[in-house]
Amino acid sequence: EVQLVESGGGLIQPGGSLRLSCAASGFTVSTSYMSWVRQAPDKGLEWVSVIHSDGYTSSADSVKGRFTISRDNSKNTLYLQMNSLRAEDTAFYYCARAPAAHYGSDYWGQGTLVTVSS
Amino acid sequence: DIQMTQSPSTLSASVGDRVTITCRASLSISTWLAWYQQKPGKPPKLLIYKASILESGVPSRFSGSGSGTEFTLTISSLQADDSATYYCQQYKSYLELTFGGGTKVEIK
Repeated sequence: EVQLVESGGGLIQPGGSLRLSCAASGFTVSTSYMSWVRQAPDKGLEWVSVIHSDGYTSSADSVKGRFTISRDNSKNTLYLQMNSLRAEDTAFYYCARAPAAHYGSDYWGQGTLVTVSS
Repeated sequence: DIQMTQSPSTLSASVGDRVTITCRASLSISTWLAWYQQKPGKPPKLLIYKASILESGVPSRFSGSGSGTEFTLTISSLQADDSATYYCQQYKSYLELTFGGGTKVEIK
């Protein structure tokens, strides 16, 4: 059974750093297209970052230079390193997988809440 | 950057109605488009990918069409369980994966 479990969220002060984790089971992270998507409270979905099966990464302009997506193949886990956090980064953060480039994201985690506030 | 515009932002319809949601891309994305359903407090659920392919297990009353810059999601006979917010997402080349603003579907 495919499962994605996010962790690492919490309350952090502006300018701080946080690393989110997404532990995967039932499939292999390194052969999938893995994304981070966020959703501010009562707002729409916003794509954050993606890592391809070949290791290529891309991020939204709103987080470029501050957030870094990566994976640990030995742990079958996806990460999002978030630096220089701002109030507008407050959101639920979901990890999602797509089995191939022609597919949408077919499995999602339950999300982890990041709150940036002093 | 590719912008995705969904319309309407909200709609109210009765059980049994045919419902159509539109998504427009700011430039051609071929058929690299997915539709998701999201209920409160839950992650999104994939309904359709590559513009018109129904994800396994999704009821056949859901269908998608379009290519290039114009896409539609149709619910042929609205059910009470379809009350949710629907999002389109483009994934051209999987370099940037932009979402539309969402359409909230309410049952009258």
